[in-house]
Amino acid sequence: GENVEQHPSTLSVQEGDSAVIKCTYSDSASNYFPWYKQELGKGPQLIIDIRSNVGEKKDQRIAVTLNKTAKHFSLHITETQPEDSAVYFCAASKGYKLSFGAGTTVTVRA
Amino acid sequence: GAVVSQHPSRVICKSGTSVKIECRSLDFQATTMFWYRQFPKQSLMLMATSNEGSKATYEQGVEKDKFLINHASLTLSTLTVTSAHPEDSSFYICSARDVSARTDTQYFGPGTRLTVL
Repeated sequence: GENVEQHPSTLSVQEGDSAVIKCTYSDSASNYFPWYKQELGKGPQLIIDIRSNVGEKKDQRIAVTLNKTAKHFSLHITETQPEDSAVYFCAASKGYKLSFGAGTTVTVRA
Repeated sequence: GAVVSQHPSRVICKSGTSVKIECRSLDFQATTMFWYRQFPKQSLMLMATSNEGSKATYEQGVEKDKFLINHASLTLSTLTVTSAHPEDSSFYICSARDVSARTDTQYFGPGTRLTVL
């Protein structure tokens, strides 16, 4: 099955700086890569996703890049704010079954 | 749009009792819903895939007789934890696919915190 590795496990950044989270996947047939943000005690919230026919996607302060050849994708958050503090999960899928990374705990220091 | 609700948000029960958790897609139809379990500081683990009108597909290692899933309509799936024990205490989260969107996008519910005493 699909194996998704996510790094780093924790990330502390100063408010206003950028945060980058990287994920690699094992199954070259995977074609959908969403990112979720999960706040304490809540369900995951989809923040951005990318499909295999696109190399980059941006939504305001959030961007995702995909390198199909290397089988890795990354989440970039610019101008971080305290409300960006949360756990972020990457995932990969072919068809409909999502395989999640282990998560990254992001802390934005004021 | 694409809102998924869960009920209850938290439940505490005695060992040996059964607990039912509801998952509803509020503004879209969901042919397929998914049930996940998440232990503290861990990732989401898929338990089963629920298809409207048919039997659920369980992941390896998940006991289908213990975790009963029913997907009776395009907007409702239920998970029943039968004869719950303390080791079943966890955060249970459902997600749903919008069948009309024809995408793989899954929208998650807010989760249900189950504590078994």
